[in-house]
Formats: sequence, C-alpha cells, structure tokens
Amino acid sequence: DAGVTQSPTHLIKTRGQQVTLRCSPKSGHDTVSWYQQALGQGPQFIFQYYEEEERQRGNFPDRFSGHQFPNYSSELNVNALLLGDSALYLCASSFTGGPHTGELFFGEGSRLTVL
Amino acid sequence: GENVEQHPSTLSVQEGDSAVIKCTYSDSASNYFPWYKQELGKRPQLIIDIRSNVGEKKDQRIAVTLNKTAKHFSLHITETQPEDSAVYFCAASQDSGYSTLTFGKGTMLLVSP
Repeated sequence: DAGVTQSPTHLIKTRGQQVTLRCSPKSGHDTVSWYQQALGQGPQFIFQYYEEEERQRGNFPDRFSGHQFPNYSSELNVNALLLGDSALYLCASSFTGGPHTGELFFGEGSRLTVL
Repeated sequence: GENVEQHPSTLSVQEGDSAVIKCTYSDSASNYFPWYKQELGKRPQLIIDIRSNVGEKKDQRIAVTLNKTAKHFSLHITETQPEDSAVYFCAASQDSGYSTLTFGKGTMLLVSP
C-alpha cells in the first residue's frame, strides 16, 4: 500500500518565479492538506482540499493556490516566489468520514529553495 | 484560532533516562492531540495520539497524558535509546473530517550513549 507520495523532492527557483508541487494521497484517502515547514519550525497549515474544493485555508497569501483532481491527487502552486518561501512543503492525507478523521499521514515533502 | 506552545525546545538525556516534553493549547474545542517524530530530512511520523475522552495512553516505552481542564498534554519516553534522537512535535485539532493540525515548534531530543 503506497503511502503519501510527493514530487519533486528538491527544487531550486529564483525570486519571482512560479512553482508547482504535486501530491498523491494514501490509498483510500480523499482529503489532502498542505503544510509549510520552515527550517527549525513546526509545520504550518496552508490549505485543505476535499471533493476538489478548498475547504479550509490558513494564514497564507493568495500567491499560494491549489487544486485537487478527481483521483484525489493535489497540486500546490506558489506564484511570485519570495526568499521567505524557502521551506519544506509537506502534503498530508486523511479520510473524511472515518471514525478517526483527525489522523494525518505525511509525505516526505518537497524542499523548495528560492535564490 | 488554536495556539500550541511546546517546551523545552531542546532536551539532552543519557541513554536509559526518561524524557518528558510538554505542550499547552488554547482552543477548548480541540479534542485530538497527536505526537509526531521527525528525523533529519524525513517526514513527520505519527508515534502516538490521544483523544479527549481518555487521560492517558501508553504504547511500549511511549506514553501521553492529557489534562483537558488545564489544556496541557505531555509525551513521556522511558528507557531512551540513541535511535529516539529526533525532533518531536505536538499538535492539536478537532477530531473531524475538517481537522487541521496546529503544531508546536518542536523539541529536539538528543540521547547520548
């Protein structure tokens, strides 16, 4: 059973560029959440997708956008990259409607470096 | 929104000693409290969780306690081993399909042989 998979694992961009990160949830999961983890910090919630719609959003600017596809996979897009966007981006999947729907399973993350 | 405070930020122990990490939360509606272990360059992995209908949960050398009145919960690791060295994060949320975890800032645990 494949867990949560993310791509790419590492990438380097320059300020002002745009980036797209991808995530496939754990088999059987229908909800995808994205977190940003800056160096030495805990993960911070960006947004959550369910039924192809953004269900909840954290305190991140509109430069951060996402999408969920019918197969439950998801993308995170960041426009007009800033140096401060350098971080590990974690995708987490869960199952809405299960008995313990608070449980999240994380992927290995995509490490973004903005120069 | 929820705010989670975690202490200490670093913890150094000798192999075989016990380690305790403490967290407080602010939102009384939170009822799900997981703990994640993150090794360098790796993803956070769930090691234990507790829901507000219980006060304590144990899994081998790891235990978590919850005091809902005081809004704090703690992770206890007994008989620590070098492979326990990692960053540990506490988190809090409502246990529902709309769950979004709020994390503490993490505790770096170093276990010396």
